[in-house]
Amino acid sequence: DAKTTQPTSMDCAEGRAANLPCNHSTISGNEYVYWYRQIHSQGPQYIIHGLKNNETNEMASLIITEDRKSSTLILPHATLRDTAVYYCIVRGGGTSYGKLTFGQGTILTVHP
Amino acid sequence: NAGVTQTPKFQVLKTGQSMTLQCAQDMNHNSMYWYRQDPGMGLRLIYYSASEGTTDKGEVPNGYNVSRLNKREFSLRLESAAPSQTSVYFCASSAERESYEQYFGPGTRLTVT
Repeated sequence: DAKTTQPTSMDCAEGRAANLPCNHSTISGNEYVYWYRQIHSQGPQYIIHGLKNNETNEMASLIITEDRKSSTLILPHATLRDTAVYYCIVRGGGTSYGKLTFGQGTILTVHP
Repeated sequence: NAGVTQTPKFQVLKTGQSMTLQCAQDMNHNSMYWYRQDPGMGLRLIYYSASEGTTDKGEVPNGYNVSRLNKREFSLRLESAAPSQTSVYFCASSAERESYEQYFGPGTRLTVT
């Protein structure tokens, strides 16, 4: 699976959009980009995933660049409860289907 | 739906003791996973089970054994605990091999002294 690079930490004001970047320059054609988050020692929570098109769900939007070498997770209106560690993960298909490789993630702190 | 449940929530062991961490899911998922998370680190996969009756090693399997007892339950056993196994252990499940979403349990906090 491709390695990802994320900033160690980011801050965001409550009510504003939080834009979390992720670089995955060695991603291959059949690898998906996933985002999970972990709120203070709880189990990780799935947020969103995508292959090459932009995706949106009730939690967030995922923007993937045309060359697929980077992506951005957008929380449109961040709240204090969005303070968490956010993990960007690239996962392939085939025999590696279940193997999520978690890096150190980005610590997002949402301020009042 | 309880989702993914894990027992116990906390455990303290002495070096050399054994124990089994239990995990169960009520979502009829085929795949189940065990991860560990050391302080300040991301999760690392210990073992996974693609379906009932099958198990495979993940990134850090040494010192652990697993049993997929049935479709619902996936247990993790430490035969002879070591201080290096002090960690938080998370169980997860997903529906099918192409499923993109893994559901995680609340974790078991294990300390080995």
